[in-house]
Amino acid sequence: KNQVEQSPQSLIILEGKNCTLQCNYTVSPFSNLRWYKQDTGRGPVSLTIMTFSENTKSNGRYTATLDADTKQSSLHITASQLSDSASYICVVMNSGGYQKVTFGIGTKLQVIP
Amino acid sequence: DAEITQSPRHKITETGRQVTLACHQTWNHNNMFWYRQDLGHGLRLIHYSYGVHDTNKGEVSDGYSVSRSNTEDLPLTLESAASSQTSVYFCASRQGGLTGELFFGEGSRLTVL
Repeated sequence: KNQVEQSPQSLIILEGKNCTLQCNYTVSPFSNLRWYKQDTGRGPVSLTIMTFSENTKSNGRYTATLDADTKQSSLHITASQLSDSASYICVVMNSGGYQKVTFGIGTKLQVIP
Repeated sequence: DAEITQSPRHKITETGRQVTLACHQTWNHNNMFWYRQDLGHGLRLIHYSYGVHDTNKGEVSDGYSVSRSNTEDLPLTLESAASSQTSVYFCASRQGGLTGELFFGEGSRLTVL
C-alpha cells in the first residue's frame, strides 16, 4: 500500500531559527514528490517539486532534498519567519496515473516571536 | 489571473439533506478533483474527472457524486448528508502530465448536524 509518513507531527520554533521537516514514502513506482504549504483556512500551495533525478532544490528560504534510494525527502526552512507558520504536506505521485497521488498528514509548524 | 473558487465556504446542514458544493476553475484544466481533509488523515480523494462527461470514483466516494458538463465546473453533491461527512472539502485542478501541479481552492467547511 502506498504510504507517506511525515515527522514531526508538529513543531514550534523561534523566529529566525532553522528547521527541517521529514517525509518517508513507500509509493512505487515513484514519479515525483511535492511539498505543499497550507496556511490555516486556505488550500495547499506547491512549494517545490522533486523528480527522481533531483537531489536538492531551493525556493527562496525553502530547500527540499530527495533520496530516492532510501525513499526519504526533507524540507529545510532557513531563517524562519512568522509567515512560515502553516502545515507542510508531502505529496508523492506514482507513475500509474493522475489519480495516484498520496498525501502525508502534514507537519504543523508554528513560528513564535 | 487564473483561479479556482469554491462555494459556499461554510455550510451547516442537517442529516439527510442534499448538499451541493460548487467548484469553478479558470485554468482551463481538464483534470479536476475533490478531496476531503480530516484531522489525522491526509487529503483523501472523493471523485475526479479527466474531462467533460468523465467522472471517476476515488477512495472515499460513498455518499458523494459529481458531474462534469463543462471544463470549468465540477460540483460535488452529497445525496443524503451524514454526520460522518462533516469535513473540509477541497477542489483541485491540474494540467496534464505527471509533474503537473495541483491547484487547490480555498476549501468548503461543511458541518452536518
